[in-house]
This record gives sequence, structure tokens and C-alpha cells, in this order.
Amino acid sequence: DAKTTQPNSMESNEEEPVHLPCNHSTISGTDYIHWYRQLPSQGPEYVIHGLTSNVNNRMASLAIAEDRKSSTLILHRATLRDAAVYYCILRDSDSWGKLQFGAGTQVVVTP
Amino acid sequence: NAGVTQTPKFQVLKTGQSMTLQCAQDMNHNSMYWYRQDPGMGLRLIYYSASEGTTDKGEVPNGYNVSRLNKREFSLRLESAAPSQTSVYFCASSVGTFHFGNGTRLTVT
Repeated sequence: DAKTTQPNSMESNEEEPVHLPCNHSTISGTDYIHWYRQLPSQGPEYVIHGLTSNVNNRMASLAIAEDRKSSTLILHRATLRDAAVYYCILRDSDSWGKLQFGAGTQVVVTP
Repeated sequence: NAGVTQTPKFQVLKTGQSMTLQCAQDMNHNSMYWYRQDPGMGLRLIYYSASEGTTDKGEVPNGYNVSRLNKREFSLRLESAAPSQTSVYFCASSVGTFHFGNGTRLTVT
């Protein structure tokens, strides 16, 4: 399985944007880029995913580099509730396959 | 909708005891998964079930067994608990995106 590399932690001020980078230099043509986040004492929750084009939803935006070797999750206005561990995961299918978690990025939001 | 429900929420076992962690989903998903999460680490896959009647090993299956009882329920059994199995256990179901339960916090002394 192709691996991802994320920073261990990032800090942001409340109501400011957060840009979370993810490197996946060995991504294959069929790998989808998924993002999940895990709030304290909860199970992970889905954030967003994409294949080649940038994606937006009510939670976040996903910017995918043209060569697909990196991507960035963008939280447009961080709130205290966005403090969580964010996982960038590659998955070889849009509808099937396991999720292989790394250590993720701990996001700290400061009031 | 309840989503994915796990029971119990907390459990303390002595070494050598057995127990079954229960998981049920009400989203009619075919695929279900069991993960464990040790402190400060990401989740690791123990077992998964692509559909009712099938189960497969994940990354860390040793010491565990699973049963896909029906489409809704997927249980994880520890036959003889060991301190190394102290962890938080998450069940998930999926059709496309994954939906996780809130975990069972297990301590083995």
C-alpha cells in the first residue's frame, strides 16, 4: 500500500484557515486520497476524499497537486471543535478497500 | 439513525479471561471492520468482513477471532486476554466512506 507523510502537529488560531499538507509520492493512478479526523475520545469521522480534481464540501476543501504526489486539506475557518488528529489515507478504490491509518497530524486550535 | 454502536464502552479484564466485543450497524453496509488504537498511534486493522459470511485477517489478527453474525453485526472475541491487548477498539462499517463507532476501552491487567 502506498504510504503518506504528514507533519506531527500544527497550530492555528481560531477563525483562521488551516492548511494540512500530505505527501504521497508513491501514489498509484487508482488511489483515492481520503481524509478522516478523530476528535478526542471518539472514533474517526470522514472529512473528504478525491482522485484528481480539487474537492469541496461543507467541512473542508481538498487541493490535489497536478502530479498527485501531494495534497492539502484546507479548513477555511478553524473552530475549537476542529481540534483533532487528521489522517491522510490512500485507498485503492472509491467504494471498496481497507483504510490504513498513519499517525496523522494533531491540530491545535488556539482561541 | 444510530450508525455504528459498540458495546461495552469500557471493560477491565484479568489476564487469561475471555470476552466478546459487540458491534452493530443500521446503515445496511456490506463491509465491516475491527481496528485497535494504542496510545498516540493510528488505528490498526485487526479483521474485516467484506460481506455477510466472509471474514479476513488484517494487519494484527493474532489473539483475536471474529464472527459476522448477520449483515448488521460483527463481533470481536478475545479468547485469552493479554496485557498487550490493552487498547481502544473501534468497529466500522463502510460503503464508500467509513463510519466508526465510539470505541470500547479495554484494559487487561
